[in-house]
Amino acid sequence: DAEITQSPRHKITETGRQVTLACHQTWNHNNMFWYRQDLGHGLRLIHYSYGVQDTNKGEVSDGYSVSRSNTEDLPLTLESAASSQTSVYFCASSDSRNTGELFFGEGSRLTVL
Amino acid sequence: KNQVEQSPQSLIILEGKNCTLQCNYTVSPFSNLRWYKQDTGRGPVSLTIMTFSENTKSNGRYTATLDADTKQSSLHITASQLSDSASYICVVRGDNDMRFGAGTRLTVKP
Repeated sequence: DAEITQSPRHKITETGRQVTLACHQTWNHNNMFWYRQDLGHGLRLIHYSYGVQDTNKGEVSDGYSVSRSNTEDLPLTLESAASSQTSVYFCASSDSRNTGELFFGEGSRLTVL
Repeated sequence: KNQVEQSPQSLIILEGKNCTLQCNYTVSPFSNLRWYKQDTGRGPVSLTIMTFSENTKSNGRYTATLDADTKQSSLHITASQLSDSASYICVVRGDNDMRFGAGTRLTVKP
């Protein structure tokens, strides 16, 4: 069965360290997204990609970067982790930009001390 | 500004009872609206999609309604079960925009 997997599921790091969260999907979807979820807020878009070599900033992109070298993977990098980036991160993919259902991973809980 | 507001923030009901969750939006132009269910510690999963021309759509014990004129949607859960305990998220798509509500946290007690 097709799926979308995130790793690690849980990570604790220190302020200033670089962190990379992995996202891998086997749906063969062109569209991939990274969100963060915090209490009291809806899911907020960090970065997204509509295909290989395509990346775009979302509403909360400062301090994050992504790269898309193949269809299956969209890793999210925190260049210098800050305590404000403590959150749960969700990767998602879809087959349509405008109408497609989002298929989410299980989430990665990141704690920055 | 395109926004999605959900109410109530949280809700506790007894097993077997019905409940209705609300979603109001200002996203324009409107493309579609989805309700997602998010179990604790899991990613959201789509329950149903509503397009402009649809008023009601059911998925088992879940029934979603849409009033595109008033920009309101509701999710009605019938005969609730313990497994319905989750957060329910309303997501509205515009032409080039997608907005998430903050969700309603539903707890079903035995």
